[in-house]
Amino acid sequence: KAGVTQTPRYLIKTRGQQVTLSCSPISGHRSVSWYQQTPGQGLQFLFEYFSETQRNKGNFPGRFSGRQFSNSRSEMNVSTLELGDSALYLCASSLAMRQGWGNEQFFGPGTRLTVL
Amino acid sequence: AQSVTQLGSHVSVSEGALVLLRCNYSSSVPPYLFWYVQYPNQGLQLLLKYTTGATLVKGINGFEAEFKKSETSFHLTKPSAHMSDAAEYFCAVRKNEKLTFGTGTRLTIIP
Repeated sequence: KAGVTQTPRYLIKTRGQQVTLSCSPISGHRSVSWYQQTPGQGLQFLFEYFSETQRNKGNFPGRFSGRQFSNSRSEMNVSTLELGDSALYLCASSLAMRQGWGNEQFFGPGTRLTVL
Repeated sequence: AQSVTQLGSHVSVSEGALVLLRCNYSSSVPPYLFWYVQYPNQGLQLLLKYTTGATLVKGINGFEAEFKKSETSFHLTKPSAHMSDAAEYFCAVRKNEKLTFGTGTRLTIIP
């Protein structure tokens, strides 16, 4: 079974631009979560989608948004990029048919975003 | 709010020695606890998880962790370190679908 895939792997943008990152979950997984990893703030939860609906949300500004398609693939968008948005963005998928279960999340390799 | 604290941002051990990475959690309810490993330029790989049941959890690559409610701890151990264990390790607690991670411990193996 193929793992979680993320595209692109590397991205360079300039301040003020917007960016869209893509994540394809493991086949059969319906939950997709996004995390931001930076040296200063560590790993932080952005949001989680399940069946095309945002089910959980972290403490990030509205410039960060996402969506999920009917095939469970997910995209996240960052508008008006700032230097501080430079990070590794990780996507994770899980079965998660019901919240509160200890379902494990499987992570993709991440997209490294650099904002100049 | 649920959180985890990892003691020691850097740990160095000799090859063949015991690996001990510390994690304490704060949770008002029985937690779901995880250890993940991250190799350079890669995503996170699940080492092991505690949900319910047996408090000693065995994971991949010879790692194990013991859930101790009285100490609110979930320390990661491996009896004999291997050079390939050099990586960053994250403890995490999960509520619903949100993982809250510790700050990570970078493990260095000394030949």
